[in-house]
Amino acid sequence: DTGVSQDPRHKITKRGQNVTFRCDPISEHNRLYWYRQTLGQGPEFLTYFQNEAQLEKSRLLSDRFSAERPKGSFSTLEIQRTEQGDSAMYLCASSSYGTSGRTRNEQFFGPGTRLTVL
Amino acid sequence: GEDVEQSLFLSVREGDSSVINCTYTDSSSTYLYWYKQEPGAGLQLLTYIFSNMDMKQDQRLTVLLNKKDKHLSLRIADTQTGDSAIYFCAESKRMDSSYKLIFGSGTRLLVRP
Repeated sequence: DTGVSQDPRHKITKRGQNVTFRCDPISEHNRLYWYRQTLGQGPEFLTYFQNEAQLEKSRLLSDRFSAERPKGSFSTLEIQRTEQGDSAMYLCASSSYGTSGRTRNEQFFGPGTRLTVL
Repeated sequence: GEDVEQSLFLSVREGDSSVINCTYTDSSSTYLYWYKQEPGAGLQLLTYIFSNMDMKQDQRLTVLLNKKDKHLSLRIADTQTGDSAIYFCAESKRMDSSYKLIFGSGTRLLVRP
C-alpha cells in the first residue's frame, strides 16, 4: 500500500460529458504528478504540481483538461467534453523533496482511475 | 526522442531466473527505475539505480546499468508465480524542480509452474 488514493476507481461516461477525478497523495509529499496510461502502453506524463503550483504541463494536456491542487494537498483532474480517445487509466503519483534516507525522485503511484468514454 | 524500449513478453519456469531488458535514450537521466504492475492495479516501485552505479542488488532483484550503451536490465532470481506481472523501466527527465518519468511499454512476465 503506497498511501496514494484515487477516486473513483472506475468511471464510465458518454462522449461529451465532463468528468472529474480526485487524487489524495501521501500526506507529507509536496509533489504530485498525473500520468495517463492507455492499453498496452506505459504511463505518459501529463502534469506536475509542487505544493499548489502547477509547474509543468505536457503537450498531451489539451485545453479540455484542467488540473488543480488548491491547498497543496489533494488534486483534481477535470476533462471537459470527453472524447472516446480519452479512455485510459489516469494515474496519480506523489513524491517528497528531501526526505531523509530516500531519493527525492521516488514517485509513489495510486491505483488509478479507469475512464471509459462510450 | 523520448523512447524507452522493452521487449513485450517473457515466459520463464518457476524457480528459474528472469532477465528483463530495457534501452533508454536520455544520457542525462540521474535515476532509472523498475516498476511492477499487476492486473487492474497501479504501479509499484521495485527498485532504482543511480546513474553513476553499474549494479544494484536488492534481495532477489539485481539491476545492471550499462551507461555507454544506455542499457538497463532487471534480473529476478528464483522467479515465483507471484512475480507474474508487467514490468516497466523508466528514465527520469529533468523539469522545473523535479523529474518526470518516461516509461517503456512494459514487459509482460509469465511464470509457468
